[in-house]
Amino acid sequence: DTAVSQTPKYLVTQMGNDKSIKCEQNLGHDTMYWYKQDSKKFLKIMFSYNNKELIINETVPNRFSPKSPDKAHLNLHINSLELGDSAVYFCASSQSNRFTEAFFGQGTRLTVV
Amino acid sequence: AQTVTQSQPEMSVQEAETVTLSCTYDTSESNYYLFWYKQPPSRQMILVIRQEAYKQQNATENRFSVNFQKAAKSFSLKISDSQLGDTAMYFCAFMKQNFGNEKLTFGTGTRLTIIP
Repeated sequence: DTAVSQTPKYLVTQMGNDKSIKCEQNLGHDTMYWYKQDSKKFLKIMFSYNNKELIINETVPNRFSPKSPDKAHLNLHINSLELGDSAVYFCASSQSNRFTEAFFGQGTRLTVV
Repeated sequence: AQTVTQSQPEMSVQEAETVTLSCTYDTSESNYYLFWYKQPPSRQMILVIRQEAYKQQNATENRFSVNFQKAAKSFSLKISDSQLGDTAMYFCAFMKQNFGNEKLTFGTGTRLTIIP
């Protein structure tokens, strides 16, 4: 009964490939996020969606395209992968206007070789 | 833009001791929220404690408590009676009260090791 689940947990791929990471939450939240954690463990927001609408896009390259088919799902597609995209990507969810905690998935470790 | 600073990249303490992790932040907002998240080796991000800026009373959760100094923009985490399971990265995070546009701004983290 995982609250926020991401797949896959690990992803190894070659430069230039296109890959997707999927996220689902069963908490009934209306807001979902993608965060990136780099090799130095620094966490930074990439995107947020509220009720399927893109709210935050933090100067992320166009190669990254989030998609939210419904409130419970937020996927991240990455085109033309580069070495610098190697990181851990976290999906999270929260309920808007309550300012309570964001619940995080277990992260997807992406390694580009 | 908000910034969050954690000045201690690494700390270690003996089991059962008390340890304090420091966090300072910079903001011009008056309404905001502060969090401490724990990331054990499993990679899972786990909320430790949350503080509303409008509350003067410091938040506590069992062995975890904060010292929130709004004027100084300081938000330290105290862990009492530390346990081996407390070994983790600890992140301080800031969220401004921005309806429908919430996001967490994280510090760089403190790696805490509890020594048996």
